[in-house]
Amino acid sequence: AQSVTQPDIHITVSEGASLELRCNYSYGATPYLFWYVQSPGQGLQLLLKYFSGDTLVQGIKGFEAEFKRSQSSFNLRKPSVHWSDAAEYFCAVGGSSASKIIFGSGTRLSIRP
Amino acid sequence: DGGITQSPKYLFRKEGQNVTLSCEQNLNHDAMYWYRQDPGQGLRLIYYSQIVNDFQKGDIAEGYSVSREKKESFPLTVTSAQKNPTAFYLCASSYGIREATNEKLFFGSGTQLSVL
Repeated sequence: AQSVTQPDIHITVSEGASLELRCNYSYGATPYLFWYVQSPGQGLQLLLKYFSGDTLVQGIKGFEAEFKRSQSSFNLRKPSVHWSDAAEYFCAVGGSSASKIIFGSGTRLSIRP
Repeated sequence: DGGITQSPKYLFRKEGQNVTLSCEQNLNHDAMYWYRQDPGQGLRLIYYSQIVNDFQKGDIAEGYSVSREKKESFPLTVTSAQKNPTAFYLCASSYGIREATNEKLFFGSGTQLSVL
């Protein structure tokens, strides 16, 4: 069955520190993988997506993610976080013929001044 | 500017009452979706529509109904049969249902529904 796991419910990092948010997926074929960000009381915005090719994907706002097939992971990284990065982050998985995308339960990111 | 508009931002429902959440898009997208978001959980799909006058149940359709009479509009009705309606509801759209997994979803800003 198709599923996404985000093991960290809440993470706090200091401003300027590096960030890694974990995402593990289960999917029977080559997955299509996404990271979305949600500010409080708002909709979701796509940060980046992976379909094929280079396993290191660059996104908006300085974020990147690396697809590791052997580990079934698609972790999100940022070298230096800013206070404006405080938000909820969702990993999602889908397939080329899927009619819907499955979202993880989210990781809330707080930034320590 | 193109985008998705959800209204109202906040909505309150009395016991036994049906309420309708509005979703309008001017992106010329074929596919539209309704998701429910509960605290600490991911988004769960309620209904989706690939084309006008057609829609499909998602994972948690019970207690909800939709219509798609116009390409731009996909309203969601939360019926009295939905016993736990308090949640944040998100509407989304994409160019096409088959492309949903390799094109991004565009989201509205959501409606918070609460029970009085």
